[in-house]
Amino acid sequence: DAKTTQPPSMDCAEGRAANLPCNHSTISGNEYVYWYRQIHSQGPQYIIHGLKNNETNEMASLIITEDRKSSTLILPHATLRDTAVYYCIVRVEYSGNTPLVFGKGTRLSVIA
Amino acid sequence: GAVVSQHPSWVICKSGTSVKIECRSLDFQATTMFWYRQFPKQSLMLMATSNEGSKATYEQGVEKDKFLINHASLTLSTLTVTSAHPEDSSFYICSARSPRLAGIWAPDTQYFGPGTRLTVL
Repeated sequence: DAKTTQPPSMDCAEGRAANLPCNHSTISGNEYVYWYRQIHSQGPQYIIHGLKNNETNEMASLIITEDRKSSTLILPHATLRDTAVYYCIVRVEYSGNTPLVFGKGTRLSVIA
Repeated sequence: GAVVSQHPSWVICKSGTSVKIECRSLDFQATTMFWYRQFPKQSLMLMATSNEGSKATYEQGVEKDKFLINHASLTLSTLTVTSAHPEDSSFYICSARSPRLAGIWAPDTQYFGPGTRLTVL
């Protein structure tokens, strides 16, 4: 799986959009970008994933650059409950029993 | 959909005792489950991959005789920490992959339990 690079921490004002970047310059053509988050003392929560088109669901939007070397997770209206560590993971979809491998992620602090 | 539960959510035990942690997929069948461990302020580290009806595959450095994994059914995997010591104190998290057929209602990816906090005195 391709390696990802994320900033270690970010702050965001409550009610504003949180934009979390991720670099994955070695991504392969069949690898997807997955985002998970982990709220303190809880298990990771799936947020969204995509291949090359932008994706949106009830939690967030995922913007992937045209060359697919980077992406941005957008939380449109961050709340205090969005404070968590956000993990960007690149992997092949439907890859059998291959487990997710977590990096260090970005610690997002939403400030009132 | 794709809910994974763990029990207990926290446990405190004495050094030398064994502790069993249960992981259940509540609304789907999981042929494969994964066990992770997380120390304070660190990321999740994969311990082992558990396949229903067969022996678990352990990551390098994880003692298979100390961390016993049993995946006896399609909805239950257990992790037993044998002869626990204070250095085994950690946050243990299980995960299950939803089957491809469930992609209609949930993406085919891993779903995680809430975790079990183990403290060994």
